Amino acid sequence: EVQLVESGGGLVQSGGSLRLSCAASGFTFSTYAIDWVRQAPGKGLERVSAISGGADSTYYADSVKGRFTISRDNSKNTVYLQMNSLRAEDTAVYYCAKGDVSGIRHYFDHWGQGTLVTVSS
Amino acid sequence: QSVLTQPPSASGTPGQRVTISCFGSSSNIGSNYVYWYQQLPGTAPKLLIYRNNQRPSGVPDRFSVSKSGTSASLAISGLRSEDEADYFCGGWDDSLSGWVFGGGTKLTVL
Repeated sequence: EVQLVESGGGLVQSGGSLRLSCAASGFTFSTYAIDWVRQAPGKGLERVSAISGGADSTYYADSVKGRFTISRDNSKNTVYLQMNSLRAEDTAVYYCAKGDVSGIRHYFDHWGQGTLVTVSS
Repeated sequence: QSVLTQPPSASGTPGQRVTISCFGSSSNIGSNYVYWYQQLPGTAPKLLIYRNNQRPSGVPDRFSVSKSGTSASLAISGLRSEDEADYFCGGWDDSLSGWVFGGGTKLTVL
């Protein structure tokens, strides 16, 4: 069974940093892309960042480019999202989502339960 | 402003058939697959439909999708109380070279 477990969320001041983690199990981790998708309170879904299975390709939404960095450790079946220079508008539940293939162009076939990031101004 | 346009709300009574539309353009729905996600209250999104009209195992055939040109519609027949959720359409956009979501439709079962 595919499982994705996010951690690392919390309350941080504007301008601060957080690192989110997504621990995966139940599939051959290195052969699938992983995304971070966020949902602001009462709002829709936004794809924030993605990393290919072999970590050779990444994607960032314009809203986070230059501030967020995605990485993965295939030996630990874990993806990370380093978030710097956080803003109030980054407040959201951050979901880890598994792609259906290794490349960046994919859909999301499994989701984690999410971790809440709150940025206070 | 989402690239894909959905009505913010929809409703129906138990047993009814309801549809939720998703409008896009030639660079997304018009040339790529459409996907649908169901988000039950207080939970994470779940894949409901992939590659236009394929259902993952466990998704009942009460859920179906029709697609025409640059729009798609999710139909739910035999509506049940447990179908009350937010529904999001999504897909790849060639012009943006990225994934886009609709703004979501909140389905209420009256």
